[in-house]
Amino acid sequence: QKEVEQDPGPLSVPEGAIVSLNCTYSNSAFQYFMWYRQYSRKGPELLMYTYSSGNKEDGRFTAQVDKSSKYISLFIRDSQPSDSATYLCAMSRSSIKLSFGAGTTVTVRA
Amino acid sequence: DSGVTQTPKHLITATGQRVTLRCSPRSGDLSVYWYQQSLDQGLQFLIQYYNGEERAKGNILERFSAQQFPDLHSELNLSSLELGDSALYFCASSVDAAEGSDEQYFGPGTRLTVT
Repeated sequence: QKEVEQDPGPLSVPEGAIVSLNCTYSNSAFQYFMWYRQYSRKGPELLMYTYSSGNKEDGRFTAQVDKSSKYISLFIRDSQPSDSATYLCAMSRSSIKLSFGAGTTVTVRA
Repeated sequence: DSGVTQTPKHLITATGQRVTLRCSPRSGDLSVYWYQQSLDQGLQFLIQYYNGEERAKGNILERFSAQQFPDLHSELNLSSLELGDSALYFCASSVDAAEGSDEQYFGPGTRLTVT
């Protein structure tokens, strides 16, 4: 079993829809949770960074962390075609090493 | 643009050869991380350097080595290359990895093809 599980999709939604992404993990020591966006043949771009449980909002993006369930989510409101990308969850303990999910490929249809 | 630069963008080489990938971190960042991304393994952490010293190791093969120089740029050396080493290699940097986790910013990557 992988340390971080993420459904690779693909996920296809119409423009304006809410995109819902999630990851589960097995290591209860994880404290730092991140979401990265990766366009084809580009480097991952940090979208959201959260510590411990709770919600964080940044524009159209909302990240949620539920440590009791070992479950994290990313919501994208009012999705745009430019949001079409692969979204990677990542997490770590205090040791810096990031453990990544496999990534979910999202397509927003115009 | 994250501010992290990597060279070269693409590299094609033969099995058994040795290559060097280069990374310059964002201005002011002391930590450099190397990752490998392949279709079957996803993004895998290889190694981290902080202010010139090795800080953490991940799934890095013995054929691979890295270093961080006094000007904070880093190089990843891959030797005795095998077909399975073909992948995207990313460098990331962060401000201070002395304690806790830190936001990591990724470069554009180097695509290595071993033939």
